[in-house]
Parts: sequence; structure tokens; C-alpha cells
Amino acid sequence: TQLLEQSPQFLSIQEGENLTVYCNSSSVFSSLQWYRQEPGEGPVLLVTVVTGGEVKKLKRLTFQFGDARKDSSLHITAAQPGDTGLYLCAVIDNYGQNFVFGPGTRLSVLP
Amino acid sequence: ETGVTQTPRHLVMGMTNKKSLKCEQHLGHNAMYWYKQSAKKPLELMFVYNFKEQTENNSVPSRFSPECPNSSHLFLHLHTLQPEDSALYLCASSQDLGGARASNTIYFGEGSWLTVV
Repeated sequence: TQLLEQSPQFLSIQEGENLTVYCNSSSVFSSLQWYRQEPGEGPVLLVTVVTGGEVKKLKRLTFQFGDARKDSSLHITAAQPGDTGLYLCAVIDNYGQNFVFGPGTRLSVLP
Repeated sequence: ETGVTQTPRHLVMGMTNKKSLKCEQHLGHNAMYWYKQSAKKPLELMFVYNFKEQTENNSVPSRFSPECPNSSHLFLHLHTLQPEDSALYLCASSQDLGGARASNTIYFGEGSWLTVV
């Protein structure tokens, strides 16, 4: 079983629509990161959340860390084709050593 | 410009070849990583180095051999690979190992696309 689950696995929407993707686990984490990976490139850090209930905004992207620090959501308002990519959440593993990544949500925003 | 640089970006090699992937980080980080990303699997951690000492080998076959001469450079030596090893190989670095600080984050290079024929 994977430490992190992400949903949906795939999402294809029209430009201008809103969307939310999720990262879930049964474990509690001290922090959680979101990354975006564009085709042919490495993942790029979007945000780190460290406090339960924390909400961070990055332009049209809103990130929330669950109150119990077991899950997180990423909401995109008025999606644009430039938002297309693989969205990955990541945490530190239960041994406190390594970064573990979810399987990702592959987003396609059509013009 | 990324703080983590990987070369080559693309590599095609035969199953009997020997090649190496190179990674350099300009961030002053102490930990470096190799990840494998293939089409149908999540990011797979391969190796972890902290202060140039290997701290993790995630059951990686011996045909992959890492080398970390200093905290800024990391290599992945490849020999007698198989077609299923074709993937995107990502190098990354972080200030410290994962759990050192809650705000610790990992920075990736652009990856090396490997095709084994």
C-alpha cells in the first residue's frame, strides 16, 4: 500500500474551469509539499504546508493542509493551459528520513 | 536556471554499454538523491546520500552504481541495463535529510531521459 493517495488520477478540463485535487493518507505528517511537473521536466516545488488547517495561496492556486495533517487539497481557479502537468504531493516518510511522493494527478487544461 | 543540473538530458544506450549520468547542485545542500520515474509508476527513490555518505539503497539492482565524490556532485553509473530500465532519472537535493526540519524541501533537476535498446 502506498503512503499517499492522490485523486483523481487524471483530469481533463476546459480553460476557465475550476478544479480541486486531493492528497490523502492515514498517517499524520509534520509537513506536506506540492509539486508540479511539466512534460519532459523535473518536478518543481509549489508550496510547503506545515500547520494543520493552514491555507496558502499562490496566484490562482489555493493549498490547504487538513486539520489533522493527514490530507491536503489543491484548488485551481480559472484553469489555464499553462497549468497542465502532473501534480505531486510529497511528505517525509514515517522514519523521518526520506521524501515520499504520491502517484500524482495528471491535469490537462484544454484551450 | 535550476539549482540542480543534470547531464545528459537524453541518453540512448545498448544493453552492453557502460554510461554515466551526472548531477551537480549549486544550492549548498547536504543531501542528494536519485529517483526513477517511469510511465506507469510513481517516483521511485533509488539512492540517498548525506554528506557524501550513502544512507539509502532502495533495493536497486547492482547494474546501477551511484557515486558521490562530494556534497555537490552525484553520479549514476549504468552498465548492462535492460529495456525496462528505460525511464526518466531525476536527481534531487535537500538541505538535510528529509525529517531534519518540518519545512525541509527537495529540489529536482530536469532529469535525464534514458532509453535502453
